[in-house]
Amino acid sequence: DTEVTQTPKHLVMGMTNKKSLKCEQHMGHRAMYWYKQKAKKPPELMFVYSYEKLSINESVPSRFSPECPNSSLLNLHLHALQPEDSALYLCASSQAETGYEQYFGPGTRLTVT
Amino acid sequence: SQQGEEDPQALSIQEGENATMNCSYKTSINNLQWYRQNSGRGLVHLILIRSNEREKHSGRLRVTLDTSKKSSSLLITASRAADTASYFCAAPPPREGGTSYGKLTFGQGTILTVHP
Repeated sequence: DTEVTQTPKHLVMGMTNKKSLKCEQHMGHRAMYWYKQKAKKPPELMFVYSYEKLSINESVPSRFSPECPNSSLLNLHLHALQPEDSALYLCASSQAETGYEQYFGPGTRLTVT
Repeated sequence: SQQGEEDPQALSIQEGENATMNCSYKTSINNLQWYRQNSGRGLVHLILIRSNEREKHSGRLRVTLDTSKKSSSLLITASRAADTASYFCAAPPPREGGTSYGKLTFGQGTILTVHP
């Protein structure tokens, strides 16, 4: 199984809502990533988890809160977002944090109203 | 700053033609990767070329790497309408000991349109 799954596919939320994005992989990968992608732009790294520990936070605002409950799951908790946070949020995984190929999920299209 | 810069930004060709995309990068690398993204979807890893390799093939894909010029190219031969997508180069920064961090920095991408 070489699939990374993400739920939900689409999410619309108000600026006062709290919601969570979920990501799951069953490839035994020990590194997992969150990226943010705006239209017609490349993905931008937000967070990296390596062996269930946060290893990279790319100075992401605290209204985004990642969580890695176990080696297969990665969550992104959202609170008090701004309209400019509307984007495609991509999850990815790799065997380890070694700079080799990453497997991406289909993404969650987030709209903040 | 972006590790990779790509050109052209957009490329429009007819089915059966070849498509070439270029990527330039700024710092030393251990490997360079190419990904494809269909509209609004996740990225798919296409090919990885290591810094000690000059050329690599995978099916209709050919990647070259010139570390002296800090550049790479992706050639898609005999293109098909299904190849229509955005193509990104990406590279992880090296760290001491010869491995790389998992942090991928992506180029701006080339939007390829293949007309049937």
